[in-house]
This record gives sequence, structure tokens and C-alpha cells, in this order.
Amino acid sequence: EPEVTQTPSHQVTQMGQEVILRCVPISNHLYFYWYRQILGQKVEFLVSFYNNEISEKSEIFDDQFSVERPDGSNFTLKIRSTKLEDSAMYFCASSDYRVEQYFGPGTRLTVT
Amino acid sequence: KNEVEQSPQNLTAQEGEFITINCSYSVGISALHWLQQHPGGGIVSLFMLSSGKKKHGRLIATINIQEKHSSLHITASHPRDSAVYICAVHFYGGATNKLIFGTGTLLAVQP
Repeated sequence: EPEVTQTPSHQVTQMGQEVILRCVPISNHLYFYWYRQILGQKVEFLVSFYNNEISEKSEIFDDQFSVERPDGSNFTLKIRSTKLEDSAMYFCASSDYRVEQYFGPGTRLTVT
Repeated sequence: KNEVEQSPQNLTAQEGEFITINCSYSVGISALHWLQQHPGGGIVSLFMLSSGKKKHGRLIATINIQEKHSSLHITASHPRDSAVYICAVHFYGGATNKLIFGTGTLLAVQP
């Protein structure tokens, strides 16, 4: 069964460093999403991406964040200068033309 | 404001018990998901509903659109059902199909 994959599973970085989180969505899906979950809190929407552009972003998704689909298979989330409060679990999801979303296993980002 | 609320926040049950987790939302939705999150953190989709009822094994999900309420039931609960159960919705009128999540219900099933 097709699945969404994410790498790495755990990333540790120092404050101020850039990180890139990678996702490979299900191959025939058209819509891509990033969500995050700070420890002990609920999952929050960050950004959605369709037709090679951002279709919606939340207030969290400020200028420090960017997304890209560089090669038609990967979908990446970049954080330019990480802060302590960026420590969270980041989930990628994808969907086809319907609303059902399929989630990746997540990347745990720890900023020290 | 588009909100999703779940109850209870924590639930402890004995193996074999019938479990109900509730979800309510504030405005019209196009679909509602029930998701499961294990201690390792990964999220698994259990159901997507827009009306009526769905059943998969010992899990049953129902939704009442008029009352803006959904329930997830687990019959004959087992310790392996222990996880966080999350309700998430697609609200009407959004620019995309983003999901808005509830806070989750932490279920512990004791043998």
C-alpha cells in the first residue's frame, strides 16, 4: 500500500541553524501539507501546497519557513534560522482530489 | 472561530470495556477524521466521515451533522488500543482542505 515517508525521523540542531525536513508524498497525490505538534499540544496546520505553489498558510508559517517541491517527488519544509520554540514533531500529509489525507510518520525536530 | 473539542481528555478502561470518545465542532464541516497516535508519535487515519456511520473491526465512528457531533466507539477494548485518539475536521469555506485538530483523548486500557 502506498505511504507517505519522511526523513529524517529525528533531527537535532542548534539554535540559528537551517534545517530541511523531507517528505515523499504518495505518487499520484496533488495536495501536500505540513503540520506540526509541539510536545503536549495539539497538531497545528502550517501550510498547504498545490500546483507548485502555496495555497494556504497559517500564522505560524512566517518568513522563517519555506516549502518546495524540488523534483516532482520530494516535498520539503525549510526553517531558515531555528528557534527553541520550533522544537516539535513535524508531519507531512498528502491527498488526491478528495479530502482524505495520508500522514507520514513525522520528523521530531529538537532545537538546542 | 472554527473549533474542535474532544471529551474526555483522558480515559482509563479495563480490558473488554466499551469505550466512547466524543468530538464536537463549532461550524459546518465537509468531513471529519478520526486519527490514532501511538507513543512513537506517528498518526494513522482510522476513519473519514461526512455522514452516518462507519465500522472497521472493533471500531465504530458516527457523525450527526445537525448536532455537529461525532463519536468514536471501541468495542471489547484491548491494551493494544491504548493510544491518543484525535478528531480532526475540514471546515466549509476554507481555501484548502486543511485539517483542524482537536486536543486528543489519551486512552489507557488496562489488562
